[in-house]
Amino acid sequence: AQTVTQSQPEMSVQEAETVTLSCTYDTSESDYYLFWYKQPPSRQMILVIRQEAYKQQNATENRFSVNFQKAAKSFSLKISDSQLGDAAMYFCAYRSASPDMRFGAGTRLTVKP
Amino acid sequence: KAGVTQTPRYLIKTRGQQVTLSCSPISGHRSVSWYQQTPGQGLQFLFEYFSETQRNKGNFPGRFSGRQFSNSRSEMNVSTLELGDSALYLCASSFSGGSSYEQYFGPGTRLTVT
Repeated sequence: AQTVTQSQPEMSVQEAETVTLSCTYDTSESDYYLFWYKQPPSRQMILVIRQEAYKQQNATENRFSVNFQKAAKSFSLKISDSQLGDAAMYFCAYRSASPDMRFGAGTRLTVKP
Repeated sequence: KAGVTQTPRYLIKTRGQQVTLSCSPISGHRSVSWYQQTPGQGLQFLFEYFSETQRNKGNFPGRFSGRQFSNSRSEMNVSTLELGDSALYLCASSFSGGSSYEQYFGPGTRLTVT
C-alpha cells in the first residue's frame, strides 16, 4: 500500500527566509503524481504545486519549488522568501491509478515576523 | 469559475441521528471525492464518485454512504451517528478522476456529534 510520511510535525521560519518541508513516500508503481497542499486556518485546502513522476525536472510555482528524488522516493517543498501568509498546515499527497489520494500527516508551518 | 462548495458549513447532531452533507463540484468536473479529517487520523479517503457511479471506497463502515447526481453534485450520508464521527468532512472535485488531475477542495463541513 502506498504511504506518505511527513516527519516534521512543526516547522518555523523567519519572514523572508527559506524553509524546506520534507516528504517521503512508499510505492511500487512507476507512474504517479505528487502534490503539496496548503491548509490555512480557514480550512480551505489549496493546491500549491504538483509533480509528475515521469518528469525529471522539478516543478516550480513562483516562490514554491520541489526537490523530487524518485529513486529515494523523496518529495520536499521549498518555500523561498517566506511570507506571513504562508503560515498553514502543509500536506504532501500521492496519487496513482487509484482514484484516492493518500496524504501525509501534515507539517504545521509558522512564519515569524 | 466558482470553486467547490459544501453545505452546510457547520452541523451539530446527536448520537444515533443521521446526517446528509452536500457538495457541488467545480463546473465541468465529473469526479467527486470525500475525505474525513480528524486530529488523530488525519485525512482519510471515504469514497469517490464519477458519472454517478462509486468508483472507489475507503475503509469506512457501511454507515457512511454517498451518491452523485447527473449534474455531478454529490451527497454523503452518515447514519446512526457516533461520537467518533465528529470531524471535518472535505469534498474534492477533479476533471476526470484520473491520477493526473489534481483535486480541488471545498471549505469542508464541520460535523460535531454530541
